[in-house]
Amino acid sequence: DGGITQSPKYLFRKEGQNVTLSCEQNLNHDAMYWYRQDPGQGLRLIYYSQIVNDFQKGDIAEGYSVSREKKESFPLTVTSAQKNPTAFYLCASSGAGAYTFGSGTRLTVV
Amino acid sequence: SQKIEQNSEALNIQEGKTATLTCNYTNYSPAYLQWYRQDPGRGPVFLLLIRENEKEKRKERLKVTFDTTLKQSLFHITASQPADSATYLCASALFNNAGNMLTFGGGTRLMVKP
Repeated sequence: DGGITQSPKYLFRKEGQNVTLSCEQNLNHDAMYWYRQDPGQGLRLIYYSQIVNDFQKGDIAEGYSVSREKKESFPLTVTSAQKNPTAFYLCASSGAGAYTFGSGTRLTVV
Repeated sequence: SQKIEQNSEALNIQEGKTATLTCNYTNYSPAYLQWYRQDPGRGPVFLLLIRENEKEKRKERLKVTFDTTLKQSLFHITASQPADSATYLCASALFNNAGNMLTFGGGTRLMVKP
């Protein structure tokens, strides 16, 4: 079955630590996206990529970094510069029209 | 920039009734609007897409309308069931091309009581 896989489901980060969230898709989609969702709030765009080896900042890119070396993969690194990283992170991909989302990663700072 | 507004208050209805959720957009008329369902702790799931030149779209118990005069889309669930309880997100796309960016609303939580 085609789909988009995020891992891990839960992640705990210590102060000053960088962590990387994985996102893999086998839908052959060109475009991939990372969103952040805080409790009771909508989706805010962190980064997006419309083609391999190219990506653009979204509305809240500060403290985050991404890479797009393969069409299937779009990992997100939450750096120590992100002061409030506790949130639910969603990865999505699209071919034309509808987005397909992963099941999310819940990141907590401990 | 485009802004999508959805009622942030939860909508509580009785099983069997029709649920109606509202999505309003500002500034630019979207090429199309999409509706997604999100369950707690899960990613959103695509439900329906309606284009600018379409007045209404149906899929089983779901119906979406698009009124460019009111700058509004309505999402209806007929014969609602407790299993329909979830948060529903509206999203707009300004252009029709592939890889088009979506702007999401904050979502409306629907609670269907048995």
